[in-house]
Amino acid sequence: DAGVTQSPTHLIKTRGQHVTLRCSPISGHKSVSWYQQVLGQGPQFIFQYYEKEERGRGNFPDRFSARQFPNYSSELNVNALLLGDSALYLCASSTLSGGTDTQYFGPGTRLTVL
Amino acid sequence: QKEVEQNSGPLSVPEGAIASLNCTYSDRGSQSFFWYRQYSGKSPELIMFIYSNGDKEDGRFTAQLNKASQYVSLLIRDSQPSDSATYLCAVDDYKLSFGAGTTVTVRA
Repeated sequence: DAGVTQSPTHLIKTRGQHVTLRCSPISGHKSVSWYQQVLGQGPQFIFQYYEKEERGRGNFPDRFSARQFPNYSSELNVNALLLGDSALYLCASSTLSGGTDTQYFGPGTRLTVL
Repeated sequence: QKEVEQNSGPLSVPEGAIASLNCTYSDRGSQSFFWYRQYSGKSPELIMFIYSNGDKEDGRFTAQLNKASQYVSLLIRDSQPSDSATYLCAVDDYKLSFGAGTTVTVRA
């Protein structure tokens, strides 16, 4: 079975621009979470979606938004890009079916803001 | 106070030795704990999870959980050069809260 997929792999933008990152979860997984990982740090939680509803939001500004589609794929949007938004953006999927919720990560999108 | 803290690295061990990684967490109500491995430039890969006090073994990896002391550890036995990576501890509270990671280098 295919794992979590993300697109694009790499992206270069300039300050003030907008970016959209995409994620497709593992088949059968209904929950998608987004994380930001800057160099030398652990991933930081941005959003979690389950059945198209936002289930949680991390401490990120309103420039960050996301949504989940009926097929459980998801988009992360970032407006008015800042240099500090340069990071690896990770998508993780899980079943959220009860018990221990194990999250599996996609390969990530490397965003560079110039 | 950070939610999840890991012992600072880098940690260098000779091939065949045991690598010991530690992690403490602040939320006493946390239930599930995860260890991920991340190779340079790649995304985190799940090694194992633990939710009951005590030890859990999976091949050369053993996770240990002590909820009373709020720590979780990972032992890597018979360390191999391919184990050289950053190891991330994560605590589940509907979202994963990660430590900063410990970088392990296994010397051949």
